[in-house]
Amino acid sequence: GAVVSQHPSRVICKSGTSVKIECRSLDFQATTMFWYRQFPKQSLMLMATSNEGSKATYEQGVEKDKFLINHASLTLSTLTVTSAHPEDSSFYICSARSQGDYGYTFGSGTRLTVV
Amino acid sequence: GESVGLHLPTLSVQEGDNSIINCAYSNSASDYFIWYKQESGKGPQFIIDIRSNMDKRQGQRVTVLLNKTVKHLSLQIAATQPGDSAVYFCAVTWAGGYNKLIFGAGTRLAVHP
Repeated sequence: GAVVSQHPSRVICKSGTSVKIECRSLDFQATTMFWYRQFPKQSLMLMATSNEGSKATYEQGVEKDKFLINHASLTLSTLTVTSAHPEDSSFYICSARSQGDYGYTFGSGTRLTVV
Repeated sequence: GESVGLHLPTLSVQEGDNSIINCAYSNSASDYFIWYKQESGKGPQFIIDIRSNMDKRQGQRVTVLLNKTVKHLSLQIAATQPGDSAVYFCAVTWAGGYNKLIFGAGTRLAVHP
């Protein structure tokens, strides 16, 4: 079946630094990728939607200059958390979907801790 | 905008019992519904889905019921096992929504032996 690989699984960074999270579709072409953030004991909140070769569309309240999303190829999307602060500590999850397919395949998530 | 909610934040059941997890959605244009299981520290795992042209779909030990009239869906798990303990989310999407998948609040299912 469809597989999405997300790396790293855990990352600890210092406040003020930037962190990049990668999401790769291993066996299908992901025309659309989604990035979610999940705080403890809460649901997945959609941050942005990215289509290959296009600028990402951000949900209301999500700072596009802080959460940089790149979807330069059909198999790779990256989320960069710039100038990270402790409040950005969260579980970040990507999801990928191929054109014409109803299925959404999720990555295993990245636990970001900003100290 | 779309909102998706659940009636029960936690559900405790005895092993072997049937579990029912409920979900309400607000957007009447929602046309595709998915149930996910999430274990601690992991991404969501697909359980079962249903399209708006159906009102029931069955899988292995799971059944999803959709009531579009009251914008409600449920997940039924038969003969619940300890391995079913996790958080369960419903998620919906809709035509014209740019394929965005919106998640409900989640229900934690605790299965006791």
